[in-house]
Amino acid sequence: RKEVEQDPGPFNVPEGATVAFNCTYSNSASQSFFWYRQDCRKEPKLLMSVYSSGNEDGRFTAQLNRASQYISLLIRDSKLSDSATYLCVVHDNDYKLSFGAGTTVTVRA
Amino acid sequence: DTEVTQTPKHLVMGMTNKKSLKCEQHMGHRAMYWYKQKAKKPPELMFVYSYEKLSINESVPSRFSPECPNSSLLNLHLHALQPEDSALYLCASSLQQQDTQYFGPGTRLTVL
Repeated sequence: RKEVEQDPGPFNVPEGATVAFNCTYSNSASQSFFWYRQDCRKEPKLLMSVYSSGNEDGRFTAQLNRASQYISLLIRDSKLSDSATYLCVVHDNDYKLSFGAGTTVTVRA
Repeated sequence: DTEVTQTPKHLVMGMTNKKSLKCEQHMGHRAMYWYKQKAKKPPELMFVYSYEKLSINESVPSRFSPECPNSSLLNLHLHALQPEDSALYLCASSLQQQDTQYFGPGTRLTVL
């Protein structure tokens, strides 16, 4: 079983739509959770950390459910520039990040 | 400023060549990492340096040799690579090992 599992998508949505997707993690002792965004042939860039209370950054909302061991990301009012692969990342211990395989989102005009 | 820089951006090398990848950060981070990423796959951890000492080697073949000359620099020396080593090599850094990691733009390596 993979440590972090994501729906690969692709999620193909029109501009202005809301899109949401989850990831699940297997290590119940995981401490920190993140969403990174990766554009084609570029490096992963931190989108947001995910906190137990849930957090919002502009059009992006992240939620953590420790009991069910899943993390979600919701994007409101999608823009063309939101097209990317979104990596769910879990900090398992003091050095190792576990990456999901990524969820591809394509926003069309 | 959360900038990690890497050089070169692109590198093409033969299987008998020796080359080096460089990574630099000036954020005062004390943990630095090398990752390898193949197309359509997530990054795979290779090495972790903490306070300029190698703390983790994820069973990487010896043809990859990391070096941390000082707290701001991280090198990856390459020798006798195979075509399957072609990938995007990403450097990352964090304040300490348990903190959020920030990635450099990567070096796209092609081994002929």
